[in-house]
Amino acid sequence: AQTVTQSQPEMSVQEAETVTLSCTYDTSENNYYLFWYKQPPSRQMILVIRQEAYKQQNATENRFSVNFQKAAKSFSLKISDSQLGDTAMYFCAFMNLPRGATSGTYKYIFGTGTRLKVLA
Amino acid sequence: EPEVTQTPSHQVTQMGQEVILRCVPISNHLYFYWYRQILGQKVEFLVSFYNNEISEKSEIFDDQFSVERPDGSNFTLKIRSTKLEDSAMYFCASSVGRAVYNEQFFGPGTRLTVL
Repeated sequence: AQTVTQSQPEMSVQEAETVTLSCTYDTSENNYYLFWYKQPPSRQMILVIRQEAYKQQNATENRFSVNFQKAAKSFSLKISDSQLGDTAMYFCAFMNLPRGATSGTYKYIFGTGTRLKVLA
Repeated sequence: EPEVTQTPSHQVTQMGQEVILRCVPISNHLYFYWYRQILGQKVEFLVSFYNNEISEKSEIFDDQFSVERPDGSNFTLKIRSTKLEDSAMYFCASSVGRAVYNEQFFGPGTRLTVL
């Protein structure tokens, strides 16, 4: 069974600094996707960044980038130039590809989350 | 920007009572999901729904749970006889299509407290 582990329940970072959130996962599959979702207080989870396992190049989205180490099954999120609006719960998630071409569900397997607080 | 909405934001109920959690997915989305997060634990997949039927369900989704899309806009999760261990945050999500590149959009969640 696939599992996702986020070992840092809480973190804090000073505004404008860089912070890295860690995530490890376990799977025997070779084809999968990894995601970071952000959930601001009392708001929806929104997708921050996505990484396809077959791509060696690390995904980046503006101030957000990942360090994807497939052999180590590690998928960390780096937030550069942290802003107060980055304060949120961050969830790492894994998605396996369903066996069937037309059946089965693309469903997320989430970690427990890391609560990040950006300090002014 | 369209959002998934969920009501109520917090529901308190007595053990053994029925609860219905409501979700309004994004209007052109065709796939619908429920996830839940027990406090301090992982967000877990419960069920996916497409074309008015369940596509997949997890082992958590037993006979006490049901889903339906009663009127073409709402997507509901019913728990027939709540147990203490059903206390959790329940998230609804929707996507345009089934494939992985069709991002699932989440609602803000309903916190269910069973006393």
